[in-house]
Amino acid sequence: GENVGLHLPTLSVQEGDNSIINCAYSNSASDYFIWYKQESGKGPQFIIDIRSNMDKRQGQRVTVLLNKTVKHLSLQIAATQPGDSAVYFCADSPGAQKLVFGQGTRLTINP
Amino acid sequence: DAGVIQSPRHEVTEMGQEVTLRCKPISGHNSLFWYRQTMMRGLELLIYFNNNVPIDDSGMPEDRFSAKMPNASFSTLKIQPSEPRDSAVYFCASSLSGAETQYFGPGTRLLVL
Repeated sequence: GENVGLHLPTLSVQEGDNSIINCAYSNSASDYFIWYKQESGKGPQFIIDIRSNMDKRQGQRVTVLLNKTVKHLSLQIAATQPGDSAVYFCADSPGAQKLVFGQGTRLTINP
Repeated sequence: DAGVIQSPRHEVTEMGQEVTLRCKPISGHNSLFWYRQTMMRGLELLIYFNNNVPIDDSGMPEDRFSAKMPNASFSTLKIQPSEPRDSAVYFCASSLSGAETQYFGPGTRLLVL
């Protein structure tokens, strides 16, 4: 079955450092991947997405890397700020009909 | 655009009561999704609609749950009768089409006593 999981449930980084959040997926048919950020008491917020025909995509302070060979997805956040504290979810979509979410990684920023 | 709108934001009810959650998707979006989030099970897809038609309801936990989308701007998720184990945050999300770039509402926090 489909399985999108995260290597680490929590990640703690120093303010100003770069953060890397990892995600593994198991469905080789997945062709679309997406990262969401969820702050306490709020709904998930779209960060960045990537299709399977790409291996890297950049946004503002964020980069998503896709390694299809090992079915691995990562989210890099540059110069982490206190406002980046949240739970980050990866999700994949085989066939672009629905998303399957991982369990999430909690990112905490140390001052 | 105001984004996805959900109501109520909070709901406290007693076991056995009927609960109705409401969602207004972003105007122009053709796909609508209902999710449930708990600490134990994370974010689970319950059901989704394309062009107001239910496509996949395999995530609906049991017959006590039902969802409708009578038009492009409104959907409901109903639980009847409610049970304490239904306590969770229920999110509605919409997208232009299919799974890509779903936008989530603020959620309804349901507590069944």
